[in-house]
Amino acid sequence: QQQVKQSPQSLIVQKGGISIINCAYENTAFDYFPWYQQFPGKGPALLIAIRPDVSEKKEGRFTISFNKSAKQFSLHIMDSQPGDSATYFCAASRAGGYQKVTFGIGTKLQVIP
Amino acid sequence: DAGVTQSPTHLIKTRGQQVTLRCSPKSGHDTVSWYQQALGQGPQFIFQYYEEEERQRGNFPDRFSGHQFPNYSSELNVNALLLGDSALYLCASRFGFRGSSTEAFFGQGTRLTVV
Repeated sequence: QQQVKQSPQSLIVQKGGISIINCAYENTAFDYFPWYQQFPGKGPALLIAIRPDVSEKKEGRFTISFNKSAKQFSLHIMDSQPGDSATYFCAASRAGGYQKVTFGIGTKLQVIP
Repeated sequence: DAGVTQSPTHLIKTRGQQVTLRCSPKSGHDTVSWYQQALGQGPQFIFQYYEEEERQRGNFPDRFSGHQFPNYSSELNVNALLLGDSALYLCASRFGFRGSSTEAFFGQGTRLTVV
């Protein structure tokens, strides 16, 4: 059962453009939604995260939008740069206790000059 | 401050063999989780260790087992290797199993190839 659905699986954006990755979840018990960035040969690194009590969180060029009623959330990368080229994973978990992180399938982003 | 460290970085094994992967958590972290990441896929949760006990397990067969030591480091063991076990194995650590801490830090993984 794929509990976190992510799209698109690949994305090509021109430098300076906006990259948008969308995710949807099924389990309403999830209450922590992180995004991870992974470069080839490296482990995932936490990029930004949000809890469902807020609808938007911004850190620099990265913004998460969260729609609790639709069980959807998205990552926006403003002014995309070639250095942003990586695979991005949305994820979900429950805070505290016996939590595990459930990942989406990933989006391979390529930012072209 | 070293982050999560895993060893070895790469490993080639023959089908049917056994393998042990090792993980040292980030300083101050007491909870370790293991994930399997197949090529082109997101990481899949294998299991989580806290206080030297397996606390939660994903949908993986008993061929996958683990251990956590008193210094919080951990091992992942896979027996009777199959070709399908070829993947990047990731270790993640965090602090505060029973607290509200949620941020998990990942190591760079061990690339296991089964031939």
